[in-house]
Amino acid sequence: QKEVEQDPGPLSVPEGAIVSLNCTYSNSAFQYFMWYRQYSRKGPELLMYTYSSGNKEDGRFTAQVDKSSKYISLFIRDSQPSDSATYLCAMTGPGTYKYIFGTGTRLKVLA
Amino acid sequence: GAVVSQHPSWVICKSGTSVKIECRSLDFQATTMFWYRQFPKQSLMLMATSNEGSKATYEQGVEKDKFLINHASLTLSTLTVTSAHPEDSSFYICSARVLYGYTFGSGTRLTVV
Repeated sequence: QKEVEQDPGPLSVPEGAIVSLNCTYSNSAFQYFMWYRQYSRKGPELLMYTYSSGNKEDGRFTAQVDKSSKYISLFIRDSQPSDSATYLCAMTGPGTYKYIFGTGTRLKVLA
Repeated sequence: GAVVSQHPSWVICKSGTSVKIECRSLDFQATTMFWYRQFPKQSLMLMATSNEGSKATYEQGVEKDKFLINHASLTLSTLTVTSAHPEDSSFYICSARVLYGYTFGSGTRLTVV
């Protein structure tokens, strides 16, 4: 079993839809969770950073962490064609700077 | 914000030659930089961690003699792929730790022919 599981997609949605991206993980020690967006042939860029459980909102993006279920989500409201990219989750625990990345979910927002 | 500049963005080289990839932290000092490799439709795989002024720490299965990492200053880390072969063709990305998470370079697409 991989430490972090993420559906690779692709996920196709119409413009304006609410998108839900998810990752599950197995290591209960993970405390820091991030979502990155990666456009084709570019480096990842940080979208959201959360610590422990709870929700965090930034504009159209909301990150949720449910540590009891070992499940994290990224919601994108009013999705735009420019949101089309691969979204990677990443996480780590205390005492290490190594982050474990999910495989990424390819999202296509259709105009 | 913290920016890491990575060059070149793409390179084609002949089999058997060496290629150097540079990563610079532009507006901050990066005592630690990380080098990743990414195959198409796959996630980032950590290759090594470089610390300024000391030897890099390589992940299991990564050939340290093939992937030479140098971190001679607080703003520059380099990855040299020595005696490159077609199987080394991949997307290489550097990153540096910042206050929250990592900041990544734009990546280098290496094609070995």
